[in-house]
Amino acid sequence: GENVEQHPSTLSVQEGDSAVIKCTYSDSASNYFPWYKQELGKRPQLIIDIRSNVGEKKDQRIAVTLNKTAKHFSLHITETQPEDSAVYFCAPGLNFNKFYFGSGTKLNVKP
Amino acid sequence: DAGVIQSPRHEVTEMGQEVTLRCKPISGHDYLFWYRQTMMRGLELLIYFNNNVPIDDSGMPEDRFSAKMPNASFSTLKIQPSEPRDSAVYFCASRGRTDTQYFGPGTRLTVL
Repeated sequence: GENVEQHPSTLSVQEGDSAVIKCTYSDSASNYFPWYKQELGKRPQLIIDIRSNVGEKKDQRIAVTLNKTAKHFSLHITETQPEDSAVYFCAPGLNFNKFYFGSGTKLNVKP
Repeated sequence: DAGVIQSPRHEVTEMGQEVTLRCKPISGHDYLFWYRQTMMRGLELLIYFNNNVPIDDSGMPEDRFSAKMPNASFSTLKIQPSEPRDSAVYFCASRGRTDTQYFGPGTRLTVL
């Protein structure tokens, strides 16, 4: 199966700063790379995703970059806000079905 | 759209009892997934269905766990007999023709 590592496990930033979370994976067959946000006691929700034929995707303050050769992809959040505080999971997968979730990064945005 | 519906939201039971978790996917979605989330093991895919047929159950922990999807709008995950180590949040998710999996609110299971 897929071996997924996510770093850092916790990240504390000041409001307005940028945050970057990195995810490495082992299965070169993975072709779909989503990031999920989970607030305390809530369900995981997709915030951004990228497919293997694309190197970067941006949606307002959030971006994802993919390096398929090195088998890692990263989540970038700019101009962080307190409501960005949550746990973020990467979940590389195959054909949008079989996801392997990382262990999560707890992001704390200090006002 | 009501989103993915799960019931019950909370379940407390005693070791050895049978537990049944229920899920109603988003109407029109033909993929359904069952996940388990614990502090120790994180989020794990247990099983997924396509058009009511189980496709991959390699994540099902052991024979005590079983899942069914009798029709396109209903699925169950059953644990019999339950054990304290089964305590977790169980999520159901569904997917249509897009690549996005939509998660339900989860069922928090506590086995005493």
